[in-house]
Amino acid sequence: GDSVTQMEGPVTLSEEAFLTINCTYTATGYPSLFWYVQYPGEGLQLLLKATKADDKGSNKGFEATYRKETTSFHLEKGSVQVSDSAVYFCALSDLNDMRFGAGTRLTVKP
Amino acid sequence: EPEVTQTPSHQVTQMGQEVILRCVPISNHLYFYWYRQILGQKVEFLVSFYNNEISEKSEIFDDQFSVERPDGSNFTLKIRSTKLEDSAMYFCATREGTGAGSPAFFGQGTRLTVV
Repeated sequence: GDSVTQMEGPVTLSEEAFLTINCTYTATGYPSLFWYVQYPGEGLQLLLKATKADDKGSNKGFEATYRKETTSFHLEKGSVQVSDSAVYFCALSDLNDMRFGAGTRLTVKP
Repeated sequence: EPEVTQTPSHQVTQMGQEVILRCVPISNHLYFYWYRQILGQKVEFLVSFYNNEISEKSEIFDDQFSVERPDGSNFTLKIRSTKLEDSAMYFCATREGTGAGSPAFFGQGTRLTVV
């Protein structure tokens, strides 16, 4: 079945460092891809999405490009802030279902 | 902004008791889901629900679990006889359903503690 694999965490960075969180997927069809963020004690919030190959999703300085040839959707941010500390989930969906990766915990230190 | 509402926010129950978790979806959404998350770890799919029936369920969603939308608004998850290992955060999510690109919107979750 469809699945998502994320790089294992936790990831600890200093403020203003460059962030990459890797995500690869396995799917039989042409899914849409998402990144969600979960702050402590809260539910998951949509961060960005891409619905077809070569699409780039972006929001709040985060970006991810849907790469069909490498089946990847890596999350990047050029300069992280302390407020970006959270757990990040990569997800894929078809019409009916959405599947999540295991999540990557990011801690940004001042 | 429309949001998914879950109640209660925290439920403590004794092992073997029945619990019902409630979710009010965003009004024009057609697809509904339950996920659980144990100790802030992986978000595990339980069940998806569309057109008043289950469209897919995971191995976790055994006979102890059931879902329904009894009044056309609330979407409920029932656990008939809770076990210690059912302790987790349970998230409801809904999608508008206009294609794979339709994102899921999550509620704040219900923390279930089975003692």
